[in-house]
Amino acid sequence: KNQVEQSPQSLIILEGKNCTLQCNYTVSPFSNLRWYKQDTGRGPVSLTIMTFSENTKSNGRYTATLDADTKQSSLHITASQLSDSASYICVVSAIKASGGSYIPTFGRGTSLIVHP
Amino acid sequence: GAGVSQTPSNKVTEKGKYVELRCDPISGHTALYWYRQSLGQGPEFLIYFQGTGAADDSGLPNDRFFAVRPEGSVSTLKIQRTERGDSAMYLCASSLGRGLAGGDEQFFGPGTRLTVL
Repeated sequence: KNQVEQSPQSLIILEGKNCTLQCNYTVSPFSNLRWYKQDTGRGPVSLTIMTFSENTKSNGRYTATLDADTKQSSLHITASQLSDSASYICVVSAIKASGGSYIPTFGRGTSLIVHP
Repeated sequence: GAGVSQTPSNKVTEKGKYVELRCDPISGHTALYWYRQSLGQGPEFLIYFQGTGAADDSGLPNDRFFAVRPEGSVSTLKIQRTERGDSAMYLCASSLGRGLAGGDEQFFGPGTRLTVL
């Protein structure tokens, strides 16, 4: 069964500090991996997407890495801001066994709280 | 607005009732997705439309759940004989139309919070 595990479940940091969120997956065959930011009561917003051949992708203060061999990804947030407080969700898509559409598997997310 | 919209934002119903949740995708997006998200969990895939047809409905939990998209734009998720376990946030997303195959970016709506008493 395709699974996406994220750690830590929650994280509290001080404004201005850096942090790294982890994502391990067992999704196969792998298509792509996305990191989403979900503010409370809102829908998720895509931060980065990586395919098999990419091992790093940046979007402003967010940098995602992917190791397709070990099936691990990380999201590094630099110089955190209060507005970074949100849930960060790792989503991995695989090719459906019977062909056709890719099925996304969502992690539970990491809840990040940035304190002033 | 140019984003995905969902109505209602909140829906409270009694066990056994029928509910409809509506999603208005971004104009021009041919792909539309429904997800269900329980508290503290990630979104769970329900169904994906490409145009008017359901390209993949493997995520629908049982036959009480049904979704339509008759004109390839607005979609309605229908839940019959609601149960307390159906209580969750129901998210809709749309994308340009390569579907999930091309790494198509999904734009999510704000969700409908369904509470079954």
